[in-house]
Amino acid sequence: GNSVTQMEGPVTLSEEAFLTINCTYTATGYPSLFWYVQYPGEGLQLLLKATKADDKGSNKGFEATYRKETTSFHLEKGSVQVSDSAVYFCALSDRTSGTYKYIFGTGTRLKVLA
Amino acid sequence: DAGVIQSPRHEVTEMGQEVTLRCKPISGHDYLFWYRQTMMRGLELLIYFNNNVPIDDSGMPEDRFSAKMPNASFSTLKIQPSEPRDSAVYFCASSQGLWAGELFFGEGSRLTVL
Repeated sequence: GNSVTQMEGPVTLSEEAFLTINCTYTATGYPSLFWYVQYPGEGLQLLLKATKADDKGSNKGFEATYRKETTSFHLEKGSVQVSDSAVYFCALSDRTSGTYKYIFGTGTRLKVLA
Repeated sequence: DAGVIQSPRHEVTEMGQEVTLRCKPISGHDYLFWYRQTMMRGLELLIYFNNNVPIDDSGMPEDRFSAKMPNASFSTLKIQPSEPRDSAVYFCASSQGLWAGELFFGEGSRLTVL
């Protein structure tokens, strides 16, 4: 079946450090891939997405590339800020047995220290 | 334009009581999702609707949980009777299309069952 695996957190970085949050997936079809972010006390909101192999999604300095050969969609940012502290979720959408599945990973908490 | 609206934001109840959570999706969206978030299990899909029809309820934990969508602008998630292990944050989300579509989340309903 479909699944998403993320690196466990929390990830703690100093401001301006480089960020990588790993995400790998399994899917039976050709999924779309997403990163969502959840700030404290709020619902999830879309950060970026990619819909086919080799696509790069980007937003607010974050990037992720859809790698079909390694079934990965790692999130990166060159220089994190304190305001990036949040929980990040990798997700996929795929059609299986006639119904869509929108599946989230377990989330990775990021703490950025000033 | 208003986002997904959930009520109540917080609910504290005693074991055995009935709980009803409400959701108003974004106008024009044809998919509606109910998710449950806990520290132990992360974000779990409970059920989703397409054009008011339940499509996949395989994530509904047991018969104590039920969800309805009587029209395009309203959905409820009911727990009867509630148990302490139902304590969680329940999110409603809506989407227009699914394969590459963004899910728009409400702010969640935090349920505590004593």
